[in-house]
Amino acid sequence: RKEVEQDPGPFNVPEGATVAFNCTYSNSASQSFFWYRQDCRKEPKLLMSVYSSGNEDGRFTAQLNRASQYISLLIRDSKLSDSATYLCVGVRGQNFVFGPGTRLSVLP
Amino acid sequence: DTAVSQTPKYLVTQMGNDKSIKCEQNLGHDTMYWYKQDSKKFLKIMFSYNNKELIINETVPNRFSPKSPDKAHLNLHINSLELGDSAVYFCASSQGPGEKLFFGSGTQLSVL
Repeated sequence: RKEVEQDPGPFNVPEGATVAFNCTYSNSASQSFFWYRQDCRKEPKLLMSVYSSGNEDGRFTAQLNRASQYISLLIRDSKLSDSATYLCVGVRGQNFVFGPGTRLSVLP
Repeated sequence: DTAVSQTPKYLVTQMGNDKSIKCEQNLGHDTMYWYKQDSKKFLKIMFSYNNKELIINETVPNRFSPKSPDKAHLNLHINSLELGDSAVYFCASSQGPGEKLFFGSGTQLSVL
């Protein structure tokens, strides 16, 4: 089993929709978690850290469920500019372990 | 003022050549990384250095040799390039384990 797994998508949603991504992780990559965003042909950029109690940043909400070993990202009121690949990241020691990413396309 | 900068942005070369990619960060971070992103877009760790010391070496061929002259620089030298080395190579840095990771803009390597 891979350390961090995600549904690759693509998720095609209309503008204004709410979309949720899940990510599952193994015990080895479970120190802390992040969501990164990667646009085509660009470097990954930090979207948000994921805290045990859940956290929100504007239209984005991240949740962590340690019992079931999954992390979620909810995007409300999707914008065209949200179209990107969303990478779930776990930490193992000094190493950041990346999931394969979920591709989101927000359509007009 | 770029936080993590790597050069060159594009590198096109023939099989068998030797090439280097340079990386510098001005964030004052202790830890630097090299990641490889292949055609399937999977980001995989190659190396990590903490204060000039190698701490991660993930089953990378000996043809790849990282060098960290100081904690702000981590260069990657590749000998005898092969077709399968074609990928995007990202440099990154963080303050420490579990801290946020910041990436350079990537080097697109194409081996012909």
